[in-house]
Amino acid sequence: GESVGLHLPTLSVQEGDNSIINCAYSNSASDYFIWYKQESGKGPQFIIDIRSNMDKRQGQRVTVLLNKTVKHLSLQIAATQPGDSAVYFCAENLRGNDYKLSFGAGTTVTVRA
Amino acid sequence: DGGITQSPKYLFRKEGQNVTLSCEQNLNHDAMYWYRQDPGQGLRLIYYSQIVNDFQKGDIAEGYSVSREKKESFPLTVTSAQKNPTAFYLCASSKQLNTEAFFGQGTRLTVV
Repeated sequence: GESVGLHLPTLSVQEGDNSIINCAYSNSASDYFIWYKQESGKGPQFIIDIRSNMDKRQGQRVTVLLNKTVKHLSLQIAATQPGDSAVYFCAENLRGNDYKLSFGAGTTVTVRA
Repeated sequence: DGGITQSPKYLFRKEGQNVTLSCEQNLNHDAMYWYRQDPGQGLRLIYYSQIVNDFQKGDIAEGYSVSREKKESFPLTVTSAQKNPTAFYLCASSKQLNTEAFFGQGTRLTVV
């Protein structure tokens, strides 16, 4: 399953398939990006991060891709499991006088058995 | 265990009352943050602090106040001036401003 466009609030994916969650960020000067996972009623959990001097970073079952040319970030989850059902947020660290972590609206991922 | 603790988990407030949400961390992090989350929406920054005795307004600071008297504590007061205080409040901390932020489990505030 794949989410496309500036913001797609929901993504339904079959268990075992790969998921791709997309995010468009706002500031070309942002140099640090994070993906978080939030389960219902809980605080967000860190998944993976990437700095602007990289295009790709891999973790356990997850890969983050950064395309600075079009200000686009994606999170790929391999072999999606029921426990992956959650809301996923991308966050950019806006670089101004200070750094402020700014969050997108999130994508709700539902894994079908 | 190292982490961030928010209390209480659920909080009810009458209109016109101030209420203070607690956030404590034992991660030895310099930076701390408060976010507000409304249903189906992302997180919006209320206040943040880089270091003890210093804090800055975020994007939606009106009606809120904070203090940072100790490194491990960053309490948030929701004042009666906040017109729509019912929300899920999240506290976070990081080593510095431009590094990974760790979140608490949140406080759900309801105005009755």
